[in-house]
Amino acid sequence: AQSVAQPEDQVNVAEGNPLTVKCTYSVSGNPYLFWYVQYPNRGLQFLLKYITGDNLVKGSYGFEAEFNKSQTSFHLKKPSALVSDSALYFCAVRGPSGNTPLVFGKGTRLSVIA
Amino acid sequence: DGGITQSPKYLFRKEGQNVTLSCEQNLNHDAMYWYRQDPGQGLRLIYYSQIVNDFQKGDIAEGYSVSREKKESFPLTVTSAQKNPTAFYLCASGFPTGQGARKLFFGSGTQLSVL
Repeated sequence: AQSVAQPEDQVNVAEGNPLTVKCTYSVSGNPYLFWYVQYPNRGLQFLLKYITGDNLVKGSYGFEAEFNKSQTSFHLKKPSALVSDSALYFCAVRGPSGNTPLVFGKGTRLSVIA
Repeated sequence: DGGITQSPKYLFRKEGQNVTLSCEQNLNHDAMYWYRQDPGQGLRLIYYSQIVNDFQKGDIAEGYSVSREKKESFPLTVTSAQKNPTAFYLCASGFPTGQGARKLFFGSGTQLSVL
């Protein structure tokens, strides 16, 4: 069975500082990994995904994520945080089968303080 | 949220009542999904459908029912058997991308509360 863990419920960072939101996964075979962001009372928005290729994936709004197979991690990063980045972030994983639904982590709330 | 419409935005259920949440998409996506979001628990899959007239149970299907009579529509009924229905419900749709990983598009959600 596939699963994903986001070990931090909350991450606080000062505006302008780098941010990292952690994610580890468990899946049979090569993973498909995703990050989504949710603003209050809204649906989720896609940020980026890793399927294959370069371990560093660049996405929307200046976010990037690094796939590390040996550590089974897919941490979300941004070099300089903005107050507007404050939101709930979800990591998701699926296995290589084309029909397998995404499994989401519990989410990490990011607060960027001015 | 473009292309997927969930209605209503807020819904209240009385004891013993069935209620139906609407989800419509105009993205021509094959797959549609229903997730339930509770604080601190992330998103849990209720039901999903890969094609019309076919659907599968997710992790927490008990007390819910769905139908997929049209590609564009995937309504979710919360039955009276669901004893703890208060939650934020998210509908999503997707299509195959690249090597087969399906990127999901989400609606803006329905907040269901019990009166």
